[in-house]
Amino acid sequence: DAKTTQPTSMDCAEGRAANLPCNHSTISGNEYVYWYRQIHSQGPQYIIHGLKNNETNEMASLIITEDRKSSTLILPHATLRDTAVYYCIVRPSGGSNYKLTFGKGTLLTVNP
Amino acid sequence: GAVVSQHPSWVICKSGTSVKIECRSLDFQATTMFWYRQFPKQSLMLMATSNEGSKATYEQGVEKDKFLINHASLTLSTLTVTSAHPEDSSFYICSAPKTGELFFGEGSRLTVL
Repeated sequence: DAKTTQPTSMDCAEGRAANLPCNHSTISGNEYVYWYRQIHSQGPQYIIHGLKNNETNEMASLIITEDRKSSTLILPHATLRDTAVYYCIVRPSGGSNYKLTFGKGTLLTVNP
Repeated sequence: GAVVSQHPSWVICKSGTSVKIECRSLDFQATTMFWYRQFPKQSLMLMATSNEGSKATYEQGVEKDKFLINHASLTLSTLTVTSAHPEDSSFYICSAPKTGELFFGEGSRLTVL
């Protein structure tokens, strides 16, 4: 799997947008960008994924650059419950390749 | 709601004993499940792939005789930590694919005294 680079930590004020960057300069053409988050002492939770187009769901938006070498996860209105470690992972979609390689992720702290 | 469930959520055992952790897929069948381990302030590390009806596939450096994996049914995989020692204390997490995506259990925290 392609390697990803994320900042170690970020802070965000409650109610403001949280923008979490991820670099994946060695991403392959068939690899999707996935985002998961892990709230303290819980299992990871799927957030969103995309290939090259921007994606939005009820949790977040994903912006992928045109060259696909980086992406940004956007939480439009961060709440205290969004405090978690956010993992950016690239992997081929579908098929049987479900072995995820987790990096260190970004610890997002949402402050009141 | 949860689609993958683990039991127990936490367990404390004495050194030298064995501990079994269960991972269940809820309302779907999973021929493959994955077991991860996470030490404090570290990321998840894949330990092994559990395969229904066949042997598990272990990642490099993971002792298969210490971490016994059994995937006896399409909805249940178990991880048994044999002869546990304090260094095995960790957060164990399982995952299973459903409709093309990967879902994770709540995790099981093992403390070995």
